[in-house]
Order: sequence, then C-alpha cells, then structure tokens
Amino acid sequence: GEDVEQSLFLSVREGDSSVINCTYTDSSSTYLYWYKQEPGAGLQLLTYIFSNMDMKQDQRLTVLLNKKDKHLSLRIADTQTGDSAIYFCAENPGNTPLVFGKGTRLSVIA
Amino acid sequence: NAGVTQTPKFQVLKTGQSMTLQCAQDMNHNSMYWYRQDPGMGLRLIYYSASEGTTDKGEVPNGYNVSRLNKREFSLRLESAAPSQTSVYFCASSPFWIGSEQYFGPGTRLTVT
Repeated sequence: GEDVEQSLFLSVREGDSSVINCTYTDSSSTYLYWYKQEPGAGLQLLTYIFSNMDMKQDQRLTVLLNKKDKHLSLRIADTQTGDSAIYFCAENPGNTPLVFGKGTRLSVIA
Repeated sequence: NAGVTQTPKFQVLKTGQSMTLQCAQDMNHNSMYWYRQDPGMGLRLIYYSASEGTTDKGEVPNGYNVSRLNKREFSLRLESAAPSQTSVYFCASSPFWIGSEQYFGPGTRLTVT
C-alpha cells in the first residue's frame, strides 16, 4: 500500500543547515510536497517539486528529489528558531487524496 | 481571502453528545477534506469530497458523517461522541483534482469526556 516514511525527530543548532528526509512509494506521483506545521496551527504548504525535476531552490529552502530511490529531502539553510515546527512530506498517487508522512519534528537549539 | 475557516476553535463534549464541525473556503476550490491529528499518528483522512455533491470515505470514517452543503462548505458531524474522538480536526481544500495540493484551516480542538 501507499506509505510515506519520515524520521520523527531532528535537532539542529541555530545557524546550521537542517536536512529532513522522506521516502515515498508511488513512482507515478506527479508532485511531491512539503508542509510546515507550527504549534497550535494548521499545515502550511511550504514548497513542492514536480516529478521531472531533480532540485528546486526557494530562498533558504532546497528540495532534492531522487526518483530512482523514491527519496525526497528538504534542506533549510541557516536554520532559525522560527523554523522549529513539524514538517510533513506528501505524495499525490494519482486521482486520490495526498498521502502524508507522519511528520518530522524539527527542534532548533539557540 | 480568509482561505479555509473552521468553527469552533475549541469544543468540549460529554460522551454521547452530538455536534457539527463547520468548514468553509473562499478560494473557489473543488475538493475538500476532513482529517484528524493525534499524537504519533500523523494526519488521518476521515472523509473527502472531490466536488460539490460527492463525498467519499477516507481511512477512518467510522463514527462520522459529512455534508458538502455547497461548493464552499463541508461539515463534519459526530452523532454520538466517544472519548476516542478526542483529537484535533483539520479541514482542507484543493483547487483542482483530488490529488492536487491542499490548503488547511487552523483546526478544531475537540475533547470528549
């Protein structure tokens, strides 16, 4: 079945880079997404990558996609305390709702 | 644009009581969804509506009913609340087909005692 896997926790020091990893199962997914959830809030669409791309950069965020290994990563450069949140990756396996991972809780240590 | 709005923000129910969670979006989106979020369980899809007039079950539909009242509004009803339904409930919408990106509301925190 469909399953998106993420590690549950990541802790980094302020100013360092964070890398959050995700593996997905459906090779036909057209888009892959990253969402951010701050405490007490809903999920916010952070960025996405089209399946024919290897990399997408958006300011401090870099998304890398390895289709062969079905591996997606989100790199946050110069991580700040405001980046502390839960990050979810999601795949779209065709004409069905997105499948979300369980989320990675990022803690930024000042 | 307010985006996706949910009411109420907080609710406490006693076991056996009923209530309806309201969701509305002002983005003219076609598809709408209801999720619950529990610690360690991630997001679990309860019901979704691909378009006005249609609804489908998700992963955990038992104990819930939904109504797609019109294109803007999608409500979730608990007929007889149980403590196992204590959770944070999120509504979301997506602009195009059922697999396109989703935009989330701020959530309703429900406690059933």
